[in-house]
Amino acid sequence: GAVVSQHPSRVICKSGTSVKIECRSLDFQATTMFWYRQFPKQSLMLMATSNEGSKATYEQGVEKDKFLINHASLTLSTLTVTSAHPEDSSFYICSARDLGDGMNTEAFFGQGTRLTVV
Amino acid sequence: GQNIDQPTEMTATEGAIVQINCTYQTSGFNGLFWYQQHAGEAPTFLSYNVLDGLEEKGRFSSFLSRSKGYSYLLLKELQMKDSASYLCALNDYKLSFGAGTTVTVRA
Repeated sequence: GAVVSQHPSRVICKSGTSVKIECRSLDFQATTMFWYRQFPKQSLMLMATSNEGSKATYEQGVEKDKFLINHASLTLSTLTVTSAHPEDSSFYICSARDLGDGMNTEAFFGQGTRLTVV
Repeated sequence: GQNIDQPTEMTATEGAIVQINCTYQTSGFNGLFWYQQHAGEAPTFLSYNVLDGLEEKGRFSSFLSRSKGYSYLLLKELQMKDSASYLCALNDYKLSFGAGTTVTVRA
């Protein structure tokens, strides 16, 4: 299957700082990328959807100014957690799909980023 | 809106068969995915159903009934490495995931 690379896999940052997480599709063009957040023993909660070259669409309750998403190319999307606080500590996972040929395509997931804010 | 229900936990013995049910309600159906997720890792694709019936892939099979809003994932010849969380997700441009079913395989 296709490969989606997410970096870093783990990051510890101080409260008040910003953290950038990168998501790259290595062998296909990802027309659409999704960012999820997952708390322990819970399912993936969609935060936002981004299409290359356009603004991200955020789910209800997700702060746009806190979770900045950029999808500048068909192979790269970034999530920046600004002014991080301990409650932002979580597992963040990106997903990429090539929806150019229709919706019956699977979503490929990055390895996830474990963010700990201290 | 969408609503997806899965059992929270299931336990089975190595070599046995386990069936994980997923019921859903949605205004527009475009397919249903099953993913496997080990703790601390990203989900990996298992199967996709868009038409009614059974899809078989080795030890894993998935069934869909659109009229009943129902799917199941069947795991045969269980192995210890199958201990994981299994997520069903509705395909609606963005994937909407159920809460996941944690399967524990015991020797």
